[in-house]
Amino acid sequence: GAVVSQHPSWVICKSGTSVKIECRSLDFQATTMFWYRQFPKQSLMLMATSNEGSKATYEQGVEKDKFLINHASLTLSTLTVTSAHPEDSSFYICSARDVMASGGPGETQYFGPGTRLLVL
Amino acid sequence: GQNIDQPTEMTATEGAIVQINCTYQTSGFNGLFWYQQHAGEAPTFLSYNVLDGLEEKGRFSSFLSRSKGYSYLLLKELQMKDSASYLCAVMDSNYQLIWGAGTKLIIKP
Repeated sequence: GAVVSQHPSWVICKSGTSVKIECRSLDFQATTMFWYRQFPKQSLMLMATSNEGSKATYEQGVEKDKFLINHASLTLSTLTVTSAHPEDSSFYICSARDVMASGGPGETQYFGPGTRLLVL
Repeated sequence: GQNIDQPTEMTATEGAIVQINCTYQTSGFNGLFWYQQHAGEAPTFLSYNVLDGLEEKGRFSSFLSRSKGYSYLLLKELQMKDSASYLCAVMDSNYQLIWGAGTKLIIKP
């Protein structure tokens, strides 16, 4: 099946620094990627939808200047948490939609393994 | 507003059957998904229903009633490895996934 990778899987940083998380579709092209955040014991919260070659669409309440998203190619999207603070500590998950795959939407969206961010 | 409801936590016994319910109210409907998420891991796809009825996949089955805004995930012959959170998500008219808070399933020997 299709594979989505995220790097790094774990990151610890000091408050005020910026952290970049990469999301790659390894064996398919993804015109659309999604970035989620999940706090402990809570559900996934969509942060933004990333479309290749255009600006990301951010959900209400998500600061676009703080969470910079770049989707420069059909296999790579990056999320940069700028000037991270302890409240940004969370589990960040990306998913990618395989536009060429057959089957329903449920079979064409794949999740990365997630990146756990801890800001001290 | 949009809303997905599912129980917070359920407990079942190894080898038994458990049904996890999900009710939804969304702006439009383009299918309902069930995902499994083990602690510290990303969700993995289990099932997708867009028409009324039951979809069976091995030990897991998912049911949908669009008129009632209701779905359930049925897990048979429970195994210890089934201990996880189960997330219900609905794709709305904009093809965005609206997520439930998840049901933590605890399997006891």
